[in-house]
Amino acid sequence: QSVLTQPPSASGTPGQRVTLSCSGSDSNIGSNYVYWYQQLPGTAPKLLIFRNNQRPSGVPDRFSGSTSGTSASLAISGLRSEDEADYYCLTWDDSLSGTWVFGGGTKLTVL
Amino acid sequence: QVQLVQSGAEVRKPGASVKVSCKASGYTFTSFGISWVRQAPGQGLEWMGWISAYNSNTQFAQRFQGRITLTTDTSTTTAYMDLRNLRSDDTAVYYCARHFGSGYEFDPWGQGTLVTVSS
Repeated sequence: QSVLTQPPSASGTPGQRVTLSCSGSDSNIGSNYVYWYQQLPGTAPKLLIFRNNQRPSGVPDRFSGSTSGTSASLAISGLRSEDEADYYCLTWDDSLSGTWVFGGGTKLTVL
Repeated sequence: QVQLVQSGAEVRKPGASVKVSCKASGYTFTSFGISWVRQAPGQGLEWMGWISAYNSNTQFAQRFQGRITLTTDTSTTTAYMDLRNLRSDDTAVYYCARHFGSGYEFDPWGQGTLVTVSS
């Protein structure tokens, strides 16, 4: 069971805006940067958002990240069929001598 | 372009060890570290540890302490993850990822190496 909580599933229709959540605590999201990764079936994770809200070059501006207190969100606007994937949040946790922690992941289905 | 290429799939018996390699190219190897992450079948991602390619400093997730060794070979720009005393629940895809360190992203990732532990 992860210290970062993500809903196991989410869905949306093409063109819609969806928001994926990641809930943590003061020792992780509340005091450290959050990163978001997209994992297509059978492939390695791909960086979508770094340092809470920064997009690497090549990532469409349909993807945006934000944080508020001990929670983080990934918004995807103009949903496309190719966005169907697993999405993971990642951050550093200051407790227990420090460790990187992933959320359990959200499976996004495009209906 | 920055690329990490991992070694091929492995099958081991319980109690054995496995060593996975991660060959880096397209950047100055010693300017970054490498993190290792695993993913059991149908499960989420789990961070295992990190090594600096500059000075070999390491950091490990508590649950792997004593069972994992991370090394780098700067002459071949390759990182290695050695996991000992394997159990069936170590069956997973193991990924390496370029990682500067605390406060920085894991990017890019290797293609993954499937390690199967079975008697």
